[in-house]
Amino acid sequence: GIQVEQSPPDLILQEGANSTLRCNFSDSVNNLQWFHQNPWGQLINLFYIPSGTKQNGRLSATTVATERYSLLYISSSQTTDSGVYFCAVEGSGYALNFGKGTSLLVTP
Amino acid sequence: EPEVTQTPSHQVTQMGQEVILRCVPISNHLYFYWYRQILGQKVEFLVSFYNNEISEKSEIFDDQFSVERPDGSNFTLKIRSTKLEDSAMYFCASRDTLHYGYTFGSGTRLTVV
Repeated sequence: GIQVEQSPPDLILQEGANSTLRCNFSDSVNNLQWFHQNPWGQLINLFYIPSGTKQNGRLSATTVATERYSLLYISSSQTTDSGVYFCAVEGSGYALNFGKGTSLLVTP
Repeated sequence: EPEVTQTPSHQVTQMGQEVILRCVPISNHLYFYWYRQILGQKVEFLVSFYNNEISEKSEIFDDQFSVERPDGSNFTLKIRSTKLEDSAMYFCASRDTLHYGYTFGSGTRLTVV
């Protein structure tokens, strides 16, 4: 299956700071999604973004499919942004492959 | 916004017992999935289901697992004889086409003791 690598694995930010999370994948994809897993374990869909750029409030994402990477930008971070951010991709087989995630802690 | 609903949110069961995890996918969706996440690890694919049959399954989805869509709304995952290593968060997901994103439920945290 497609390999998904996320970086950094861990990130600590002060409230108000900006950050960029990266997802590299090993093959062409039909689907790429970013999820936020909150402290209760829920997977919250942030973006469906197999290519291009999208924005939703303080979050935005860009996928460059030809170069096999995606970036998630978090601006003006808040403590509620804490949690694990997962990138997941789907190639020719119809199942999502998840990366290991980036664990984000935003401190007051 | 439409949601995928999973019940129960937590379940504790004794090793060797059967458990059924329940999911109500979004009503107009056609593709259904189960994923699991062992504590501290990444989310792993178990099985996909379309048109009342399994379309794809992973190596994890062995003979002790089964899925069913018993009526027009529910989608269930049965684990026949639970083992300690089945302890995990189990997520149900659905989508309406193969060219759109997945919507995940809130998960069922299964603890086998």
